[in-house]
Amino acid sequence: SYVLTQPPSVSVAPGKTANITCGGKNIGSKSVHWYQQKPGQAPVLVIYYDSDRPSGIPERFSGSNSGNTATLTISRVEAGDEADYYCQVWDSRSDHPDWVFGGGTKLTVL
Amino acid sequence: QVQLVESGGGVVQPGRSLRLSCAASGFTFSSSDMHWVRQAPGKGLEWVAFISYDGTKKYYADSVKGRFTISRDNSKNTLYLQMNSLRTEDTAVYYCAKDPGLYSYFDHWGQGTLVTVS
Repeated sequence: SYVLTQPPSVSVAPGKTANITCGGKNIGSKSVHWYQQKPGQAPVLVIYYDSDRPSGIPERFSGSNSGNTATLTISRVEAGDEADYYCQVWDSRSDHPDWVFGGGTKLTVL
Repeated sequence: QVQLVESGGGVVQPGRSLRLSCAASGFTFSSSDMHWVRQAPGKGLEWVAFISYDGTKKYYADSVKGRFTISRDNSKNTLYLQMNSLRTEDTAVYYCAKDPGLYSYFDHWGQGTLVTVS
């Protein structure tokens, strides 16, 4: 099955930019979606189809996808952005479709 | 606004069964594909099962195939997950999630219900 690889943790100072990567074989040919999950809460969609933002998500959140790496970028990081972030793709396997998540990245705001 | 409310979680012994429910409101449930996604304690997200808007298509993760059954009742705006032959590794928070279509992503999530197999 398709594998997505994320760094376990990323740290960033307030006001700086955080880049969270999601690696996968030829991931640039797939659509990547990103979720934010704060402790004790359900995940929230923050980016879909590589770079689109749902309504209510700040413009500070952006995404890109090319080659073997997709990236979630959070600009002007705030304390409230501290959370776990997961990438996800839909993989059309030969037998049936599969919705695949990366292992998650814990974003720490220093 | 979209609301998804899961129920039915609890503590169950290995080998026993449990049925989860997800009550939907705020959108046209009968036109929406739906999923179950789970998260073991301290672990990441794992997709479990998918059902099409009309119930004709169902897909499962290999880890639950043959043991779990997803279903829906569009007249009651409710999604279900029947879990049989439960194992300790099925212990997790189970979320229902709405798919906006085209087998893509999860645009709305419930708050989850905890299943503990012990």
